[in-house]
Amino acid sequence: DQQVKQNSPSLSVQEGRISILNCDYTNSMFDYFLWYKKYPAEGPTFLISISSIKDKNEDGRFTVFLNKSAKHLSLHIVPSQPGDSAVYFCAAKTNSNTGKLIFGQGTTLQVKP
Amino acid sequence: EPEVTQTPSHQVTQMGQEVILHCVPISNHLYFYWYRQILGQKVEFLVSFYNNEISEKSEIFDDQFSVERPDGSNFTLKIRSTKLEDSAMYFCASRPGQASNQPQHFGDGTRLSIL
Repeated sequence: DQQVKQNSPSLSVQEGRISILNCDYTNSMFDYFLWYKKYPAEGPTFLISISSIKDKNEDGRFTVFLNKSAKHLSLHIVPSQPGDSAVYFCAAKTNSNTGKLIFGQGTTLQVKP
Repeated sequence: EPEVTQTPSHQVTQMGQEVILHCVPISNHLYFYWYRQILGQKVEFLVSFYNNEISEKSEIFDDQFSVERPDGSNFTLKIRSTKLEDSAMYFCASRPGQASNQPQHFGDGTRLSIL
């Protein structure tokens, strides 16, 4: 099941620069997209989300962009901080009421001081 | 901030034994979920639960699995006869209410090791 794909297993950026994490999906029935951050030995922590009717959502240093025609979303973190080093998961939900999430494989972000 | 709490953090069980994983969702949440992550693989949906019944389950969630909300606060996942391939991190999640476009909040997981 490859409905949500994060093709970059890892990303390394310098502190203060922009981090861009990418996610592609195949199911046009997805109507809500989320980014989660995960530290070792912890559960996924919700970061930011976007509805399929929007193309951008911003929350502080975090911005999510959605390109429906390309079935692509991205998470921008600017400026990146060492504490942002974690695994980032993209997740998507179909328009069913159950709210089931389909996850990507995750991208490990390392922010170097 | 309210949290989803999972116990135990690590469970070691012999193959063929029954195991129960425990979760206390956030108190005013109405939708509950179990996911699992096998080492090196994606987080996978197992089951969703609403209004005291299963609302959706994956093909992984076969007859060996069951869920229960025994007392209005706990939400448990039972595996009746564990197999080696059940070894994984199991995450419980919950979300508030009727609007389905709401984030799910996850617990820190239970690491299940089947010997």
